[in-house]
Amino acid sequence: DAGVTQSPTHLIKTRGQQVTLRCSPISGHKSVSWYQQVLGQGPQFIFQYYEKEERGRGNFPDRFSARQFPNYSSELNVNALLLGDSALYLCASSRGGPSREKLFFGSGTQLSVL
Amino acid sequence: GESVGLHLPTLSVQEGDNSIINCAYSNSASDYFIWYKQESGKGPQFIIDIRSNMDKRQGQRVTVLLNKTVKHLSLQIAATQPGDSAVYFCAEIGADTGNQFYFGTGTSLTVIP
Repeated sequence: DAGVTQSPTHLIKTRGQQVTLRCSPISGHKSVSWYQQVLGQGPQFIFQYYEKEERGRGNFPDRFSARQFPNYSSELNVNALLLGDSALYLCASSRGGPSREKLFFGSGTQLSVL
Repeated sequence: GESVGLHLPTLSVQEGDNSIINCAYSNSASDYFIWYKQESGKGPQFIIDIRSNMDKRQGQRVTVLLNKTVKHLSLQIAATQPGDSAVYFCAEIGADTGNQFYFGTGTSLTVIP
């Protein structure tokens, strides 16, 4: 069975540009979460989506947005990129629902902002 | 924000020895904890989880211990192998944290052959 897939794997952008990252969850999983991981640190929560609705948002500026599609895949958009946005962006999926449960992560998209 | 920290940023062990990785958390309302393993260039991989109604849980070569009194979590790896070399993160979530997991800063485990 395929795990969580993310695209692209690597991306280089310049300051001020916009970027879209994509994620396909594990088949049968309805919840997708996005995390940002800066080098040397643990992942930091950005968004969670379940059944196409935003169910949680971390402490990130409005330049960050996301959405979930009817097939449960998701996109993360970042506008007006800053050098500090350089990080590994991780997507995780879970079955979803009211109970808290483990997340399954993809390999991430490495974003470099120059 | 939440504070999930690890006592040691790096740990080196001999192959075949047991490893213990520790994690302190500050939110007494956290009720679900996960240990993840992250190898270079990969996303975090689930190892084992534990809910707050348990003190201990065992998996294959791994054991997680939860001490709610001192808000401490540990991961024990038996007979550590070179393939266990990675960064290990603890993550917590609770009823008051919404749908977000809080991750520690990680411990880098190096297994010496």
